[in-house]
Amino acid sequence: AIQLTQSPSSLSASVGDRVTITCRTSQGISSALAWYQQKPGKTPKVLIYDASTLERGVPSRFSGSGSGTDFTLTISSLQPEDFATYYCQQFNNYPYTFGQGTKLEIK
Amino acid sequence: EVQLVETGGGLIQPGGSLRLSCAVSGLSVSRNYMSWVRQAPGKGLEWVSVIYSSGSTYYADSVKGRFTISRDNSRNTLYLQMNSLRAEDTAVYYCGVGQYYFDYWGQGALVTVSS
Repeated sequence: AIQLTQSPSSLSASVGDRVTITCRTSQGISSALAWYQQKPGKTPKVLIYDASTLERGVPSRFSGSGSGTDFTLTISSLQPEDFATYYCQQFNNYPYTFGQGTKLEIK
Repeated sequence: EVQLVETGGGLIQPGGSLRLSCAVSGLSVSRNYMSWVRQAPGKGLEWVSVIYSSGSTYYADSVKGRFTISRDNSRNTLYLQMNSLRAEDTAVYYCGVGQYYFDYWGQGALVTVSS
């Protein structure tokens, strides 16, 4: 199975900060990567798919980049509602796998 | 509006069986790729199984041979039959829609495997 390693595992930041989360895969997956946001007690919500395509309705402060084995999720200017846990997921082949998550907390 | 509602979770002893249901409205389970994804308490997400619109199925190695995914097109409902349950199967189980990534999710059903 393809392993996904996110860094950092946790991050403290302030409203207005620019934040970048990295996802590295154990083998190349082209652009077959999605990013999700999950708030406590809620279901995950897809933000980005195909590594860089913004899901409809997701604010433009979210962006994704990368291909192959290295990917990033960037939030250009943190808003209070962005404090959550973020996961990457590969869909290049089965079994689909997720990163371990990055918890974004308020500084 | 698309809605997915999971039912059937609960407390079950190790070695026992449980069937989860996911009732879907707003789209057809027979024409979409439907998956189960689980999340152990305080942990990350783990893909469990998928059923294609063609009926083909795939499973995570951790559940292969113990879990079976199926659907009832007339009821527009997805199922996950879970046998030989283990403590490590304890999790919230979500049903999700999507061939590659999951853009619709249910609210989840908690399965607790404990004696």
